[in-house]
Amino acid sequence: DSGVTQTPKHLITATGQRVTLRCSPRSGDLSVYWYQQSLDQGLQFLIQYYNGEERAKGNILERFSAQQFPDLHSELNLSSLELGDSALYFCASSARTELETQYFGPGTRLLVL
Amino acid sequence: AQTVTQSQPEMSVQEAETVTLSCTYDTSENNYYLFWYKQPPSRQMILVIRQEAYKQQNATENRFSVNFQKAAKSFSLKISDSQLGDTAMYFCAFMKPRGSQGNLIFGKGTKLSVKP
Repeated sequence: DSGVTQTPKHLITATGQRVTLRCSPRSGDLSVYWYQQSLDQGLQFLIQYYNGEERAKGNILERFSAQQFPDLHSELNLSSLELGDSALYFCASSARTELETQYFGPGTRLLVL
Repeated sequence: AQTVTQSQPEMSVQEAETVTLSCTYDTSENNYYLFWYKQPPSRQMILVIRQEAYKQQNATENRFSVNFQKAAKSFSLKISDSQLGDTAMYFCAFMKPRGSQGNLIFGKGTKLSVKP
């Protein structure tokens, strides 16, 4: 158990809908990262937050957004969902700086029908 | 841009044997970090081992060790005394240094099957 929690574990929804994925980092970790794992794109970095502030953006679609709250948990919002958004979404956390090892949560499996 | 290549999509090994997974990367950076993560059928991403580029000594963690060749930009993972529980996807990952985004760049993975 990495100490990173993600809810829900599974999510099934329809095209055009909006969902929110939630992540709680390890106790004391300030950085949260979101990754998407799909069959065709592999593991891709989406976005990073550090102590409530957006730190870096990767291949994140405009339909996707995220935030990190004062208690350091983070939410990834996916809107206007398409079939191609079906994937495993991971949250990872690290202690302080970008040099720290990232520990991954169990992931949320999203299926868009 | 940095890239990570894992040239072996699938590998198999007999239980108790040794296997080596290959990884190469491309970067113009001098300081960086390299990782191996394991993803078993449960889909959990589990850190296996970490190597700092400034360290000449190869990292080891119990049965797992790496062969880090900085000049060749090679970072292979050796698993000794393979166990059935080692069956998983293995991902090699690169992290850019301080001042950069700090996100991981992953290879496409190697599926390892350990056979009894």
